[in-house]
Amino acid sequence: AQTVTQSQPEMSVQEAETVTLSCTYDTSENNYYLFWYKQPPSRQMILVIRQEAYKQQNATENRFSVNFQKAAKSFSLKISDSQLGDTAMYFCAFMKGTQGGSEKLVFGKGTKLTVNP
Amino acid sequence: GAGVSQSPSNKVTEKGKDVELRCDPISGHTALYWYRQSLGQGLEFLIYFQGNSAPDKSGLPSDRFSAERTGGSVSTLTIQRTQQEDSAVYLCASSLRDRPAPQHFGDGTRLSIL
Repeated sequence: AQTVTQSQPEMSVQEAETVTLSCTYDTSENNYYLFWYKQPPSRQMILVIRQEAYKQQNATENRFSVNFQKAAKSFSLKISDSQLGDTAMYFCAFMKGTQGGSEKLVFGKGTKLTVNP
Repeated sequence: GAGVSQSPSNKVTEKGKDVELRCDPISGHTALYWYRQSLGQGLEFLIYFQGNSAPDKSGLPSDRFSAERTGGSVSTLTIQRTQQEDSAVYLCASSLRDRPAPQHFGDGTRLSIL
């Protein structure tokens, strides 16, 4: 079974600064995908960024980037130029790759990020 | 709207009652998932429907929980004889079949058992 661990229950950062959220996972699979989701107080889960395990290049989406270390099974999220709207719970998630298409997500327990003005 | 729709948004019920939670996925999405988010916890997988295949029920915590998906679209999650530990936010997500398939989530139903 796969597990996802987020070791930082809470973090805070000043507006415009950079913050890194940690995530490690455990799997015996070689084909998989990793995701970061954001959950603001509105409750809706919003996809922030995704990474295919077979790709060596780290994914980036505007101010969001990841540091994917496959051998270490680490998948951290870096948020640059933090904005007040980035305040939310952030969840790291794992999806096993299969022939049949989409699969269920395995989530970490989340990191509560607060961006201070 | 074009997103995943869940109803009701909030549900308060007495212990022992049955509840039904509804999810209307994005049109054209063949995969539908139910997750449960307890206070301070991450999301826990409950059940997964993919097209006409048999659902993956491996995450259902007890036989009090069941779900169906009619006509490959709307899904209903039913909890019978509710217990206080069933209190949580129940989130539904849908996705296309393609890999990787980002899952699009609804706003969830907050269930409170008195």
